[in-house]
Amino acid sequence: ILNVEQSPQSLHVQEGDSTNFTCSFPSSNFYALHWYRWETAKSPEALFVMTLNGDEKKKGRISATLNTKEGYSYLYIKGSQPEDSATYLCASPGGSYIPTFGRGTSLIVHP
Amino acid sequence: GAGVSQSPSNKVTEKGKDVELRCDPISGHTALYWYRQSLGQGLEFLIYFQGNSAPDKSGLPSDRFSAERTGGSVSTLTIQRTQQEDSAVYLCASSVTGEYYNEQFFGPGTRLTVL
Repeated sequence: ILNVEQSPQSLHVQEGDSTNFTCSFPSSNFYALHWYRWETAKSPEALFVMTLNGDEKKKGRISATLNTKEGYSYLYIKGSQPEDSATYLCASPGGSYIPTFGRGTSLIVHP
Repeated sequence: GAGVSQSPSNKVTEKGKDVELRCDPISGHTALYWYRQSLGQGLEFLIYFQGNSAPDKSGLPSDRFSAERTGGSVSTLTIQRTQQEDSAVYLCASSVTGEYYNEQFFGPGTRLTVL
C-alpha cells in the first residue's frame, strides 16, 4: 500500500479566490495519478488521470500539474465558485494497479 | 447510459447480524472495486475483481467480509456478524479495465450503521 498524502485537510475560501492544494505520492514505481471530486451526497467523479512527468491537464477553471520525479501533484482552481465546494481526492495505483487514495482536501467556497 | 448503482442506499442493522450490499457496475466494465470510508478516514480499498481472474482480497479487514461477482457483472459484499466498527460508507466503483490509467466510476454508496 502506497503512502498518498494530501494537504491541506480542509480549506475555506471566498467566492472568486483562486486556490490550490497538494497531493504527494511515492516517486518510485510510479504509474499514474488520479484526481477525483466528491460532492456531498454524490458519487466521486473523475477529474484527471495523469501519467507523464510534467503533465498539465485542464477542465474549465480547474487544472492540475504532475511532478513524478519529486512525487507531487497540484490541483488549482481559478476563481472559485460555491459549486466547487467538495472534497478533492487524489489516488495513485501501485504495482497491482489498485489505487491508494489520499484522505482528501475538503474545499468550502463561501459566497 | 446508466452509471454504477448500489443498494440499499442506507442500512441500519444490529450488532451481530449479517448484511449484504449490492453493486451494479456499468455494463461492459471488467474491473470492479469495493471501498469503504469510515468517519474521518480516507477511502480504504477492500476487494478488486478483474474479469474472470481470482479477486484481489488483500484489503478485506477480516474473514467476516466476503464478496462475489456473478457473471462478471453484479457484485455483492457480505459482512457477517457485523460490529460497530463496520459502520461506514461502502462505495463500489467500476472501470473499463483494471489498467492504471483507467478512471473509476463510482456508485452513490451504501451508508451502513451498526447499532
